Amino acid sequence: AQSVTQLDSQVPVFEEAPVELRCNYSSSVSVYLFWYVQYPNQGLQLLLKYLSGSTLVKGINGFEAEFNKSQTSFHLRKPSVHISDTAEYFCAVGGGSNYKLTFGKGTLLTVNP
Amino acid sequence: GAVVSQHPSWVICKSGTSVKIECRSLDFQATTMFWYRQFPKQSLMLMATSNEGSKATYEQGVEKDKFLINHASLTLSTLTVTSAHPEDSSFYICSARGLGLHPYEQYFGPGTRLTVT
Repeated sequence: AQSVTQLDSQVPVFEEAPVELRCNYSSSVSVYLFWYVQYPNQGLQLLLKYLSGSTLVKGINGFEAEFNKSQTSFHLRKPSVHISDTAEYFCAVGGGSNYKLTFGKGTLLTVNP
Repeated sequence: GAVVSQHPSWVICKSGTSVKIECRSLDFQATTMFWYRQFPKQSLMLMATSNEGSKATYEQGVEKDKFLINHASLTLSTLTVTSAHPEDSSFYICSARGLGLHPYEQYFGPGTRLTVT
């Protein structure tokens, strides 16, 4: 079984500040890791993914994340946020043979002017 | 690429009636579609997994007779909420995985807001 922990339910930051959204996972098998963003009343949009290879992955909108196997983490970072980055961010993990994703509870990023 | 649509985007129905929600993969063939439910300010709860041409597999606690899922083609899955009640009001989101994509890569539809009065 897998689980995902998003350590912060809410993260308020000022515009142009850097941000890190934390995600830790547990799994007994090899994992595939994803970050999704959800704007109000919308579906989820894939921000970035780690499937294999380089542990530093870059995604859309200037976000990046680093897969750290020893710390079982996949933290999301952006060096300078914009008001438009205000949204809910979900970390998800997949692995094994059932093709399902397990989602964290989400982190609400609020960017203030 | 990898676009998923849902229809309708929102629907209001009376208690006791049935509502059908469509999920379509627009530019890829979806071998598997997933149906999620999301309550306000909460994460996604997986309801069921459907593979094209097969019966859906429901998660524990999800009533299969209430939430009917059909995945008749590689581009369309439907969720029918039968005899809807106010407690079925929620945001329903579908996702799809498919040919040419990584097996764990899911693309999500925009969601359907269901309100039962």
